[in-house]
Amino acid sequence: DAKTTQPNSMESNEEEPVHLPCNHSTISGTDYIHWYRQLPSQGPEYVIHGLTSNVNNRMASLAIAEDRKSSTLILHRATLRDAAVYYCILRDVRGGSEKLVFGKGMKLTVNP
Amino acid sequence: DAGVIQSPRHEVTEMGQEVTLRCKPISGHDYLFWYRQTMMRGLELLIYFNNNVPIDDSGMPEDRFSAKMPNASFSTLKIQPSEPRDSAVYFCASRPGTGKLFFGSGTQLSVL
Repeated sequence: DAKTTQPNSMESNEEEPVHLPCNHSTISGTDYIHWYRQLPSQGPEYVIHGLTSNVNNRMASLAIAEDRKSSTLILHRATLRDAAVYYCILRDVRGGSEKLVFGKGMKLTVNP
Repeated sequence: DAGVIQSPRHEVTEMGQEVTLRCKPISGHDYLFWYRQTMMRGLELLIYFNNNVPIDDSGMPEDRFSAKMPNASFSTLKIQPSEPRDSAVYFCASRPGTGKLFFGSGTQLSVL
């Protein structure tokens, strides 16, 4: 399985932009990059995903490097509610298998 | 829709007892996933179903674990006999086709 590497943790300040990095140097041409986050005592929730082009939605933006070996999740104005564990995941679709393999993720702390 | 519904929210049992965790996916979702989360190993995929059929159970730790999906609106994960090392949060998630994953709130299992 292609794997991702994220920092263990990051800190940010409320109302400031946050850039969450993810490295995936062994990504294959058909791997999608997915981001989920997990708030305390809750199940993970979808944030955004993309293949090659940058993506925007109401929650965040996803910037994908031209060689696709890294990506960055951008929260434009962090709020206290954004404090969570963020997972960068490659969608593994091989031989009919469609599963998301989560790693340890990266803990984001937002300071008031 | 009420989202993915899991029961019970908390389960405390003694070693050797049978444990059954339940999940009701979102109506119309074709895929159902069972995950387990611990501090040591993070979020692990145990098994997933497509149209009620088990597709990949390679993550199931051992024969003590079994999962069924008798119909599109119900799935169970059974552990028999349970052991203290099975203590974890178990998440169920469902997904429509190639869409995003929706997670339940999880079952916190403690095996004494």
